Amino acid sequence: GQQVMQIPQYQHVQEGEDFTTYCNSSTTLSNIQWYKQRPGGHPVFLIQLVKSGEVKKQKRLTFQFGEAKKNSSLHITATQTTDVGTYFCAGADYNTDKLIFGTGTRLQVFP
Amino acid sequence: DGGITQSPKYLFRKEGQNVTLSCEQNLNHDAMYWYRQDPGQGLRLIYYSQIVNDFQKGDIAEGYSVSREKKESFPLTVTSAQKNPTAFYLCASTGWGNQPQHFGDGTRLSIL
Repeated sequence: GQQVMQIPQYQHVQEGEDFTTYCNSSTTLSNIQWYKQRPGGHPVFLIQLVKSGEVKKQKRLTFQFGEAKKNSSLHITATQTTDVGTYFCAGADYNTDKLIFGTGTRLQVFP
Repeated sequence: DGGITQSPKYLFRKEGQNVTLSCEQNLNHDAMYWYRQDPGQGLRLIYYSQIVNDFQKGDIAEGYSVSREKKESFPLTVTSAQKNPTAFYLCASTGWGNQPQHFGDGTRLSIL
C-alpha cells in the first residue's frame, strides 16, 4: 500500500539555523499538504502543493513539490523558538485520492 | 465561529468498558475522519465518512466503531476489544475533494 516517509525523524537546531524536512511517497501524488502540530496541540494546515515542481513561500518557510510528484520538502530559514513542533506532510494518492500522513519530523529549537 | 469540537479532552477507560468520543463540526463539511496518534508517532486513520449514513474502515479499525447519523456528528466508540487504547485521538473534517483537513483539539484516552 501507499507509504509516506519523512526524514529526519527529529532535528535539534540552534535558533537562527536553517531546517529542512523531506517527504517521500511510494506512489505518485495528486497533491501534497503540510501541517504543523505544536506540542500538546492538533495539526494545523500550512499549505497545499498541486503542480509538478511547484515552489511556494510563506515568510521564512519554503515548500517544494518534486518534478515526479513523489516527494516534497519544507525548508525553514533562520529558525525561531516559535517554529518548535512536529511537521507532517500528507500526500493524496494520484489513483485513489486517499490522503496518507507522513511519519512527521519533530523540530526542537534552542535559544 | 466555525470549527470542530471534540469532547471530552481527557478520558479514562476501565477494563472491559466501551467509551465514546464525541466529534461535532459546524463547517458544513461532508467528510469526517478519526485518527489515532501514539507518542512521537504520526497519524493513523481509524475510520472515515464521506457522507451521512456511510463510513469506511481505515488502516486500524479493529476494536473501534463509528456512526454518521448527522452531517455534523461523527462519534467514535473505543470498544473493549481494543486492547491498547491509550493514545491521542484526533477528529478531522474536510470539504469536497482534497481540501485541507481541519482538526479538533483531540481527546487523550488512558486506561485506569
